[in-house]
Amino acid sequence: EPEVTQTPSHQVTQMGQEVILRCVPISNHLYFYWYRQILGQKVEFLVSFYNNEISEKSEIFDDQFSVERPDGSNFTLKIRSTKLEDSAMYFCASSEPLTGTNSGANVLTFGAGSRLTVL
Amino acid sequence: GENVEQHPSTLSVQEGDSAVIKCTYSDSASNYFPWYKQELGKGPQLIIDIRSNVGEKKDQRIAVTLNKTAKHFSLHITETQPEDSAVYFCAASRRYSTLTFGKGTMLLVSP
Repeated sequence: EPEVTQTPSHQVTQMGQEVILRCVPISNHLYFYWYRQILGQKVEFLVSFYNNEISEKSEIFDDQFSVERPDGSNFTLKIRSTKLEDSAMYFCASSEPLTGTNSGANVLTFGAGSRLTVL
Repeated sequence: GENVEQHPSTLSVQEGDSAVIKCTYSDSASNYFPWYKQELGKGPQLIIDIRSNVGEKKDQRIAVTLNKTAKHFSLHITETQPEDSAVYFCAASRRYSTLTFGKGTMLLVSP
């Protein structure tokens, strides 16, 4: 079964350092997402990406964050200068366009996540 | 924006019992309601979803019901098994919009 793969599985970094989290979405999917989950809390939306541009972002996704699809397979999340409160599990997800009665439904497939620990 | 409330936060049942998790949402324009199961160390996995044009959907031991008037939807798991133990998240979204998740329910099924 197709899956979303994420690397690294765990990254420890010092506050103020730049971090890049990588994702390989499912190959025929066109919509890409980053979500995060602070330990013990709910999954929060960060950003969605379609047609090589951000389609929607949350208030969490400030100027410290950026996303990029540098080639035909990878989708990255960059945090320019990490803060302690950025420590969380970051999930990448992708979805395919649905047609007919299912059009518009966001059927997301999530990766296993990248745990970021900021010290 | 959308706000999704989920209850209970933890649920302990004996193997073979039924489990019910309830969610409410605030945006009357939401029309897609998935449920995700998250096992330890893994990402959320879609287990069942329902769209606003139906009131109930069933897949083997799991079922979801939707009451659009009251803006709530529920997950029902029958004949629970220890492998059902996980965190379950409900979510809601409008057409072509992003998912908003509930806070999750930790389900513990004791043998």
